[in-house]
Amino acid sequence: DQQVKQNSPSLSVQEGRISILNCDYTNSMFDYFLWYKKYPAEGPTFLISISSIKDKNEDGRFTVFLNKSAKHLSLHIVPSQPGDSAVYFCAAGSNDYKLSFGAGTTVTVRA
Amino acid sequence: EAGVTQFPSHSVIEKGQTVTLRCDPISGHDNLYWYRRVMGKEIKFLLHFVKESKQDESGMPNNRFLAERTGGTYSTLKVQPAELEDSGVYFCASSQDRAGPPYNEQFFGPGTRLTVL
Repeated sequence: DQQVKQNSPSLSVQEGRISILNCDYTNSMFDYFLWYKKYPAEGPTFLISISSIKDKNEDGRFTVFLNKSAKHLSLHIVPSQPGDSAVYFCAAGSNDYKLSFGAGTTVTVRA
Repeated sequence: EAGVTQFPSHSVIEKGQTVTLRCDPISGHDNLYWYRRVMGKEIKFLLHFVKESKQDESGMPNNRFLAERTGGTYSTLKVQPAELEDSGVYFCASSQDRAGPPYNEQFFGPGTRLTVL
């Protein structure tokens, strides 16, 4: 019963362009969402979060959009840089602390 | 500030053997979590400690897995006996108690890659 889904396993984007990563969820009890970034042989690192009461949160080049009615969120990276090449995980949580993750999207930024 | 550390980084064992993974959380973090990622799939929750108490162990696959956190500091996850399907990357994470953004930011260790042959 996977509650968070990232349907695109990979994304290739040219340096300087926008990267858009998508995530869908099924559990309406989730009240916050996070994006994590993971490099090979390292653990996931926190990137940005959004509360379920908001529809947008921005931090530098990273913006997360939340559409509660569609149970969908997206992460925009503008402009994409070579150092952004990594696996990105969408995660969701509620008041029980545990996080539910998607399977990840591998982003490759081409020079 | 030191991050979450895990030992070993890799472990290769045969089916039926026992393996113990260790996690040292960030100092002062009362919350400690274990997760597992199998074959490039999603990262799945295993269990959550608050200090030395198991708060939620709903993700533990079966009774071959035993997690402990003696004294509320480091934690161990023992698999006994190991089966082929236990192979994967085991992540440990820790967090402070906090309200507000970034809502339960969990800091992850680098993981232990377990291979059961």
